[in-house]
Amino acid sequence: GAGVSQSPRYKVAKRGQDVALRCDPISGHVSLFWYQQALGQGPEFLTYFQNEAQLDKSGLPSDRFFAERPEGSVSTLKIQRTQQEDSAVYLCASSGRDRNTEAFFGQGTRLTVV
Amino acid sequence: GENVEQHPSTLSVQEGDSAVIKCTYSDSASNYFPWYKQELGKGPQLIIDIRSNVGEKKDQRIAVTLNKTAKHFSLHITETQPEDSAVYFCAASKNTGRRALTFGSGTRLQVQP
Repeated sequence: GAGVSQSPRYKVAKRGQDVALRCDPISGHVSLFWYQQALGQGPEFLTYFQNEAQLDKSGLPSDRFFAERPEGSVSTLKIQRTQQEDSAVYLCASSGRDRNTEAFFGQGTRLTVV
Repeated sequence: GENVEQHPSTLSVQEGDSAVIKCTYSDSASNYFPWYKQELGKGPQLIIDIRSNVGEKKDQRIAVTLNKTAKHFSLHITETQPEDSAVYFCAASKNTGRRALTFGSGTRLQVQP
């Protein structure tokens, strides 16, 4: 596809359940970012990959959050033992090799923990 | 770390009027300032960006200004149309390997027909 694709679009999880969110970046984009967007707020940085290397995970809120991009393309954000405060939209963005090139965002996955 | 403040949080204008949204940033090392438009149920979409070596940039009805000394930048939309109604976010980043964006809290723009 032409844009960043995220799946599922919506996910309802029971508290304590593990979830996995998928991001397919634009083909050829080396940089991939995950952001968390709470209702009515701006996106907040979670983690950054350059190809398969996770160069920054300083935004991950706890050790229950884990992200991977094993082949430098598709990425998965995993949240273990979900809690209500994890409810948010999780956005994935990708960009090209050059610094400060445009970051293209996917439509996000809305996670609701009940 | 970087902190980006955005004002106002909501803005209502009449169709055809201009809209201005302002942001300030804290880290003088930031040098890239994009603006995103987010419609309901969609991801943010870049509408214009500016780098620190430029003071102003214009694209049709949209313009952005940057004052590095004061560490603030603004989005100007002229001749607003109902389809401009959305949430707008400013952001800032540094030219480092991390390159993550720090976003403002957003401005909900409503253009009244």
